[in-house]
Amino acid sequence: GDSVTQMEGPVTLSEEAFLTINCTYTATGYPSLFWYVQYPGEGLQLLLKATKADDKGSNKGFEATYRKETTSFHLEKGSVQVSDSAVYFCALSDKGNNRLAFGKGNQVVVIP
Amino acid sequence: ETGVTQSPTHLIKTRGQQVTLRCSSQSGHNTVSWYQQALGQGPQFIFQYYREEENGRGNFPPRFSGLQFPNYSSELNVNALELNDSALYLCASSLELGSQETQYFGPGTRLLVL
Repeated sequence: GDSVTQMEGPVTLSEEAFLTINCTYTATGYPSLFWYVQYPGEGLQLLLKATKADDKGSNKGFEATYRKETTSFHLEKGSVQVSDSAVYFCALSDKGNNRLAFGKGNQVVVIP
Repeated sequence: ETGVTQSPTHLIKTRGQQVTLRCSSQSGHNTVSWYQQALGQGPQFIFQYYREEENGRGNFPPRFSGLQFPNYSSELNVNALELNDSALYLCASSLELGSQETQYFGPGTRLLVL
């Protein structure tokens, strides 16, 4: 079945550092890809999405490019802030339905 | 525009009891999905409702059931609660079906089963 794999472990970095969170997927068709963010004690918020190959999603300085050849959708931000501390989830929904399959998430901690 | 709301925010039950969780979808949204998020894990799809009909189900036993009402609000019912049902239950709504549609999540109901 469809699945999403995120890099293991929390990510701790200093303010203004470069952030990368890896995400790869397995799907039978051509899924839409999403990054959701979960701040402490809150539900999930959509951060960005891409619906076809080579699309780039972007929002709040975050970017991710839909790479069909490597089945990846890595999240990047050039200069993180303390307020970016949260858990980030990569997800996909396959064509024909919009049920989401999520990765395990990555805790990001930004230190001042 | 009102977002997705869920009630209650927190709930404590004991093994064997039954629980009902409620979700009000975002205005104009006809599709509601429910997810279970165990501690430290990503959300897992439970089931989805579209225009009051179930439209797909994840790998959850029949004691997890649901409803969608004519105003597109929804309920999740869990019978015969087990300890490992303790989790954050998330509801999400979208404007329509379709993989490109964005799902908007509520804040969740945190269920603790003792």
